[in-house]
Amino acid sequence: DSGVTQTPKHLITATGQRVTLRCSPRSGDLSVYWYQQSLDQGLQFLIQYYNGEERAKGNILERFSAQQFPDLHSELNLSSLELGDSALYFCASSKKNAGAHTDTQYFGPGTRLTVL
Amino acid sequence: DAKTTQPNSMESNEEEPVHLPCNHSTISGTDYIHWYRQLPSQGPEYVIHGLTSNVNNRMASLAIAEDRKSSTLILHRATLRDAAVYYCILSPRSGSARQLTFGSGTQLTVLP
Repeated sequence: DSGVTQTPKHLITATGQRVTLRCSPRSGDLSVYWYQQSLDQGLQFLIQYYNGEERAKGNILERFSAQQFPDLHSELNLSSLELGDSALYFCASSKKNAGAHTDTQYFGPGTRLTVL
Repeated sequence: DAKTTQPNSMESNEEEPVHLPCNHSTISGTDYIHWYRQLPSQGPEYVIHGLTSNVNNRMASLAIAEDRKSSTLILHRATLRDAAVYYCILSPRSGSARQLTFGSGTQLTVLP
C-alpha cells in the first residue's frame, strides 16, 4: 500500500459525459501528479500540482482539467468524454519539496475509466 | 528529454539473479537514474534510483557504468512476485517539474 488513495476504482460512463477522479496523496506530500495509461500510448504524464499550484503540464487535453485543494487532495476532471479516453488514470504523490534534487513518486492504485 | 533503451522482455528462473539493462547514452550530467516497476493490475512502484555511484536497497541494486551511459538493475533472487514491467527513467536533478517519462519498459517473466 503506497498511501495514495484514488476513487473511484472503476467508472463506466457514456460518450459526451463528464467525470471527476479524486486523489488523496500520502500524508505530508505536497506534489501530486496525474498519469494516463492506455494500451496504445503507455503511461503518459498529464499534469503536476505542487502545494495547490500547477507546476507542469504534459499531454493533457483541453477537455481535461485538474486542481489541488488546500487539504492537498486533487481532482482530475474529464469532460466531453470520447471512446479514446478509456484508460487507467493514476495519481502519484511525492515527499520532497520542489527544491529538492530528486524525489520518489508513490502511485495510487488507479481509476479505470471505461467510456461506452 | 534524454531517452532510455531497454529490452522488451526478459525471462528469469525463480530464485536466480536477474540483471535488467538500460542504455541512456544521451544522459546529462545532472540526470538521476530511476527504476520503477509495475506489477499486473497495479500502479507503478518505486524500486531504486542513483546518480553516479552504485546503490543498494532492500528491493534491488543499481549498478551505474562509469560513463553513466548505461545502468543495470539487479534483483538478487527473483521471486514470482517480481514479475512485472520494469521502467528505467531519467529525471533531471534541478527544476521543479519532476514528472516521469515512461518508456515501454522491460516485461520480466519469472519462471517457477
